[in-house]
Amino acid sequence: AQRVTQPEKLLSVFKGAPVELKCNYSYSGSPELFWYVQYSRQRLQLLLRHISRESIKGFTADLNKGETSFHLKKPFAQEEDSAMYYCALRTGQGAQKLVFGQGTRLTINP
Amino acid sequence: SQTIHQWPATLVQPVGSPLSLECTVEGTSNPNLYWYRQAAGRGLQLLFYSVGIGQISSEVPQNLSASRPQDRQFILSSKKLLLSDSGFYLCAWSSGLALWAGELFFGEGSRLTVL
Repeated sequence: AQRVTQPEKLLSVFKGAPVELKCNYSYSGSPELFWYVQYSRQRLQLLLRHISRESIKGFTADLNKGETSFHLKKPFAQEEDSAMYYCALRTGQGAQKLVFGQGTRLTINP
Repeated sequence: SQTIHQWPATLVQPVGSPLSLECTVEGTSNPNLYWYRQAAGRGLQLLFYSVGIGQISSEVPQNLSASRPQDRQFILSSKKLLLSDSGFYLCAWSSGLALWAGELFFGEGSRLTVL
């Protein structure tokens, strides 16, 4: 079965410190991984996708198939990064749905 | 531009009463439509998705059902609500194209409290 695990429900770091939100997945095929973010009083929205290999708002994420991980990283956290973050899995290019993890609430302390 | 509307935003219902949450999308045609439930500690759980009118895929056996009577309308229903149906329900849409890149566009959500 396809599964996404985010082991940390809550993560708190100080402004300027590095941030890493962990995501592990379970899927035997060729996965596509995504990070979604929900800022306070805003809608859930796409942050980045692994196939784009992009950096959005200073965040990057590398798909590690050996470790079945897709951790989200940022070298220097900013207060506006405080939000709920969800890792999501698409099970192949033809799949028309996403499976989400439990989410991690990130708080950046001043 | 495309927009998604979801209502009602808040609903308080007694146990055993019916439920109807509605979602409509504007500015696009033949979208894929989704109902998710967001629960603390359980993340986003996919309940139903639809790739076309009358085509509903159920992901989790439950007390709820979904229908898609029109191309851009998606309805979440229940005949008799249970306490466990309480939660935050999110509707979302995506491009129905075969080359969909995996981006979902979410509504603002509906908070359901069953008493």
